[in-house]
Amino acid sequence: GAVVSQHPSWVICKSGTSVKIECRSLDFQATTMFWYRQFPKQSLMLMATSNEGSKATYEQGVEKDKFLINHASLTLSTLTVTSAHPEDSSFYICSARDSGGASYNEQFFGPGTRLTVL
Amino acid sequence: TQLLEQSPQFLSIQEGENLTVYCNSSSVFSSLQWYRQEPGEGPVLLVTVVTGGEVKKLKRLTFQFGDARKDSSLHITAAQPGDTGLYLCAASGEYGNKLVFGAGTILRVKS
Repeated sequence: GAVVSQHPSWVICKSGTSVKIECRSLDFQATTMFWYRQFPKQSLMLMATSNEGSKATYEQGVEKDKFLINHASLTLSTLTVTSAHPEDSSFYICSARDSGGASYNEQFFGPGTRLTVL
Repeated sequence: TQLLEQSPQFLSIQEGENLTVYCNSSSVFSSLQWYRQEPGEGPVLLVTVVTGGEVKKLKRLTFQFGDARKDSSLHITAAQPGDTGLYLCAASGEYGNKLVFGAGTILRVKS
């Protein structure tokens, strides 16, 4: 149980284009999902908290118009990197909390998406 | 702002050796998780500790939560090359649903 998928696993795009990344909880419902960014050999940096049916909460320094988040259902959140530039190249990881699980704030992570912007 | 200090940052050891990774804070946490991550993949949850003084074992891995719920340790006995990876501690406070992550420990076990 507690499986989270991400799609695509990797994407290469040209500068100026937009890229959408999907995060799905496969066997549980998640009212809250999280989007992280990770640089090589570093820890995870929280970008935003995605709340089902409401607006996402962004961390300080993260542009909400640049990183659009939609959480339209209890099993799907999407992150769209708009007008991507080379500096947006990174490993993006989502996680989800099991709404029906224990209240220990356990997060289950997707396998990540490697974004390369040329 | 709650901070979680993780040490050491890097660890390179021979197969069969023991090691301990530490996670410390001045804040009290309601729960703490340990994750392991391999390159190009997402973190995988190893354990959650909730009670002060709690000790949990997962095969050769022993996890401990401090009595005051401000610190935790991960001890690996007889490390194997398959233990190689990035180990992350993460914790949440009493009222937040966000996780605070440590900086991570890159472990390399040489055969």
